[in-house]
Amino acid sequence: EDQVTQSPEALRLQEGESSSLNCSYTVSGLRGLFWYRQDPGKGPEFLFTLYSAGEEKEKERLKATLTKKESFLHITAPKPEDSATYLCAVRANSGYALNFGKGTSLLVTP
Amino acid sequence: DAGVIQSPRHEVTEMGQEVTLRCKPISGHNSLFWYRQTMMRGLELLIYFNNNVPIDDSGMPEDRFSAKMPNASFSTLKIQPSEPRDSAVYFCASSSPRREQFFGPGTRLTVL
Repeated sequence: EDQVTQSPEALRLQEGESSSLNCSYTVSGLRGLFWYRQDPGKGPEFLFTLYSAGEEKEKERLKATLTKKESFLHITAPKPEDSATYLCAVRANSGYALNFGKGTSLLVTP
Repeated sequence: DAGVIQSPRHEVTEMGQEVTLRCKPISGHNSLFWYRQTMMRGLELLIYFNNNVPIDDSGMPEDRFSAKMPNASFSTLKIQPSEPRDSAVYFCASSSPRREQFFGPGTRLTVL
């Protein structure tokens, strides 16, 4: 069975303090690893898709990387507006659906 | 593009009542997904459609839940009868084939 585990569950950073969020996965034939951002009271917002080990994608202060067993979301010099829950999801060979982790709740304080 | 549209945004009902949630996917997307999000279980897939046809409904909790997609621009998720444990946020998402999913704003359901 596909599994996605995110750590830590919650993370508190000072503004400018860089860190990384982890997403470990087991899946039968990865057909994409997805990162989403979710603000309170809103739907998840798409950030990145990674397809193969070694791939990296960047957007502003965020960089996502992928290995055969895990993905990292690196946050460089975060700002308070980066505070949100970050969700990781995988799509397996078998179909269309995404299997989501439970997320990391990030709080960036001024 | 308006994005995925869901209605209502909030629904409060009493146990035993019928609840219908509605979704309009992004135009041109042919895959549609219904999810439920709770603190305990996170984001769970309930059912997904491809070209208006239900492909996998194994996530639907029980027979009280049903979903339809009569055309490419509209889907409903119905709960009858509703129970307090159905209280959650329900999301609809749509995508092009095997591409990233775009989520709606969700419907917060409270069953008293």
